[in-house]
Amino acid sequence: AQSVTQLGSHVSVSEGALVLLRCNYSSSVPPYLFWYVQYPNQGLQLLLKYTTGATLVKGINGFEAEFKKSETSFHLTKPSAHMSDAAEYFCAYSGGGADGLTFGKGTHLIIQP
Amino acid sequence: DAGVIQSPRHEVTEMGQEVTLRCKPISGHNSLFWYRQTMMRGLELLIYFNNNVPIDDSGMPEDRFSAKMPNASFSTLKIQPSEPRDSAVYFCASSLLLMGTRGNTIYFGEGSWLTVV
Repeated sequence: AQSVTQLGSHVSVSEGALVLLRCNYSSSVPPYLFWYVQYPNQGLQLLLKYTTGATLVKGINGFEAEFKKSETSFHLTKPSAHMSDAAEYFCAYSGGGADGLTFGKGTHLIIQP
Repeated sequence: DAGVIQSPRHEVTEMGQEVTLRCKPISGHNSLFWYRQTMMRGLELLIYFNNNVPIDDSGMPEDRFSAKMPNASFSTLKIQPSEPRDSAVYFCASSLLLMGTRGNTIYFGEGSWLTVV
């Protein structure tokens, strides 16, 4: 069965510091990987996704993620954190087709002033 | 463009009452998903439809839950009777699945926040 693991339910960084949110997956088929962000009291918004091709994927708000098949990882990074980045971040997996996404438990990103 | 529209945004109901959550997917999308979000279990896929047909309802917790999609622009999730443990945020999401494509983006609504007392 496919699964997604996000290491760290809470991550705290200082404003201006590097953001690194970790995601690992397990899958028997080539994965399609997503990062979503959820701001308080709102729905989920797509940050970026990997389907095929370039393994370094750039998304909105300065975020990017790199698909590493050998490490079964899809970590999310941003060079310099901003206060507005404080939110819940979800890594998700899809095996393709019409089925829905399998989500990780989420990582709450806290930005310290 | 209008996104996925859910109603009600907030619902407080008494245990034993029937709850109906409604969803209008993005126009032209052919796949619709219902998710439930709780602190304990995170985001869980309850059921999804493709071309108005339920494909997989294995995530529906029990018979008290039912979902319908009578047409391409409307879906409901019903809980009858409701229980306090059903308190959660229920998200509807939609996607356009094209033959031969994969990794389609799923777009989420703002959620329906349900509290059962």
